[in-house]
Amino acid sequence: GENVEQHPSTLSVQEGDSAVIKCTYSDSASNYFPWYKQELGKGPQLIIDIRSNVGEKKDQRIAVTLNKTAKHFSLHITETQPEDSAVYFCAATDPMEYGNKLVFGAGTILRVKS
Amino acid sequence: GAGVSQSPRYKVTKRGQDVALRCDPISGHVSLYWYRQALGQGPEFLTYFNYEAQQDKSGLPNDRFSAERPEGSISTLTIQRTEQGDSAMYLCASSLRRDQPQHFGDGTRLSIL
Repeated sequence: GENVEQHPSTLSVQEGDSAVIKCTYSDSASNYFPWYKQELGKGPQLIIDIRSNVGEKKDQRIAVTLNKTAKHFSLHITETQPEDSAVYFCAATDPMEYGNKLVFGAGTILRVKS
Repeated sequence: GAGVSQSPRYKVTKRGQDVALRCDPISGHVSLYWYRQALGQGPEFLTYFNYEAQQDKSGLPNDRFSAERPEGSISTLTIQRTEQGDSAMYLCASSLRRDQPQHFGDGTRLSIL
């Protein structure tokens, strides 16, 4: 089955700096890679996703890159703000093969210091 | 536009009791998923429905766990004879179709004493 590893486990940045979180996956059949943000006491919130037919996707301050050959994908947050502080999870799946069963990484705690 | 609604938000019960957790998906969403999240970990898949059909229950830990979605909308996850190891956050997600993004509710925090 699929296995997703996520690094780093914690990340502290100064407000205005960039943050990068990296994930690797094991199953080359996986073709859908969402990123979720989870705040304390809340459920995961989808912030961006990418499918394997695309190498990069951007939405304002957030971007995701995918390297299918190396089986890794990354989340980039630019101009970080205190409200970006949360736990971020990457996930991977093949929706048609696995019924969209998401396999998650262990999470990254992002702290943005003002 | 209501999101995924889960109830109760918190449930404390004694070991050995049965519990039922409810999920009301986003209106019109065909696919519904249950995940379990231990403290400090990512969510782990439990089971998945397409309409009322349970398509995959490979993540259910044992036969004390069951789920249903009889009318293809609201779903209930039931844990019988609860054990302390069942303590976790139980998350429900729904998607328009199985190949579409999943949207999560705020979960039920279950504590077994």
